[in-house]
Amino acid sequence: KNEVEQSPQNLTAQEGEFITINCSYSVGISALHWLQQHPGGGIVSLFMLSSGKKKHGRLIATINIQEKHSSLHITASHPRDSAVYICAVGSNQFYFGTGTSLTVIP
Amino acid sequence: DAGITQSPRHKVTETGTPVTLRCHQTENHRYMYWYRQDPGHGLRLIHYSYGVKDTDKGEVSDGYSVSRSKTEDFLLTLESATSSQTSVYFCAISESEQGGSTDTQYFGPGTRLTVL
Repeated sequence: KNEVEQSPQNLTAQEGEFITINCSYSVGISALHWLQQHPGGGIVSLFMLSSGKKKHGRLIATINIQEKHSSLHITASHPRDSAVYICAVGSNQFYFGTGTSLTVIP
Repeated sequence: DAGITQSPRHKVTETGTPVTLRCHQTENHRYMYWYRQDPGHGLRLIHYSYGVKDTDKGEVSDGYSVSRSKTEDFLLTLESATSSQTSVYFCAISESEQGGSTDTQYFGPGTRLTVL
């Protein structure tokens, strides 16, 4: 069973488009994280959320605890946003989604 | 960037041989983690450590052991490597004093291990 489901699995967008990546989870959580994995493999943390919404530059993350759902939005997408975006949730330990592979075409 | 290095970065070995992967941090963080990443599975926790000589199992610990004799080093050992352990291994650290998912984890660059 998958505790974390992400959609879509793959996404191709034109530069400048507004992008949404979704994460649904089935376990009780203390926090939800969005991670970015670059084509070279490195993983960086973008956001940690326990409620509401956070914004960093062109990235916005929201979470609805009651619905067990989070979204990551990218405004004015750029080719450098091309990466795999991973949702992770948990309380005592993390459960990771399998990631959404985003390609932004110039 | 958090100071985390992994060595080796790439390794090819044969079935049945022992393999040790090293994670080194310069941040003096308490918590350290080993994950494996496989297509279709996402990241899965192998073992973690919450201090020197304090370790615990994760979701996929069978076939792996760990040691932490110094704050800065966390070693992952495959006693007898199998082809199913071909994967990309990531180390992560957390500055939390309590552990858990309410703290940001910082990831190392990964080690690509191939077991033939």
